[in-house]
Amino acid sequence: ETGVTQSPTHLIKTRGQQVTLRCSSQSGHNTVSWYQQALGQGPQFIFQYYREEENGRGNFPPRFSGLQFPNYSSELNVNALELDDSALYLCASSIGQGDTGELFFGEGSRLTVL
Amino acid sequence: RKEVEQDPGPFNVPEGATVAFNCTYSNSASQSFFWYRQDCRKEPKLLMSVYSSGNEDGRFTAQLNRASQYISLLIRDSKLSDSATYLCVVSNQGGKLIFGQGTELSVKP
Repeated sequence: ETGVTQSPTHLIKTRGQQVTLRCSSQSGHNTVSWYQQALGQGPQFIFQYYREEENGRGNFPPRFSGLQFPNYSSELNVNALELDDSALYLCASSIGQGDTGELFFGEGSRLTVL
Repeated sequence: RKEVEQDPGPFNVPEGATVAFNCTYSNSASQSFFWYRQDCRKEPKLLMSVYSSGNEDGRFTAQLNRASQYISLLIRDSKLSDSATYLCVVSNQGGKLIFGQGTELSVKP
């Protein structure tokens, strides 16, 4: 157990809908990173939040947005869902900005878009 | 071109075999390098860091060649429990971890 919890674990949405995924980071960790993992692929970096500010973003459109709260928990929001958004969304927490390379992942939220 | 590229899989090997995974990265400014392991339908977990001098952890040996932008992982005496997907990971400026697509290993009795 990494101490990182994500919710919901599974959900089904239809094209055009919006979704919010939630993540509680490990105690003492002030950085949260979000990744998208499509079937058979490695995790793709979406963005990172450090002390409530976005601190880097991958190649994802603006309809992917996020927040980090004062307790360092985080949300990932996706608007105008597309079929290709179907994937496992992983949240990972770390101390600082992850320079040590050790990210602690949650078990993920599996999103299916129909 | 992807930032991190790995050998295509899957690798199917018998117990006791030695298996090697290779990985290349495109950003010469990359600062840190790692191997993660991901079991089926589970989250990725850090297996080991990779240093220029090479490093070993039991049956696992990781090597880094900065000049060739190449990373490797060697697993000796494979066990059934080594079956998993191995992810090559590179850290760029600011500590953002970039993952390869993963190489699946299946160790058979």
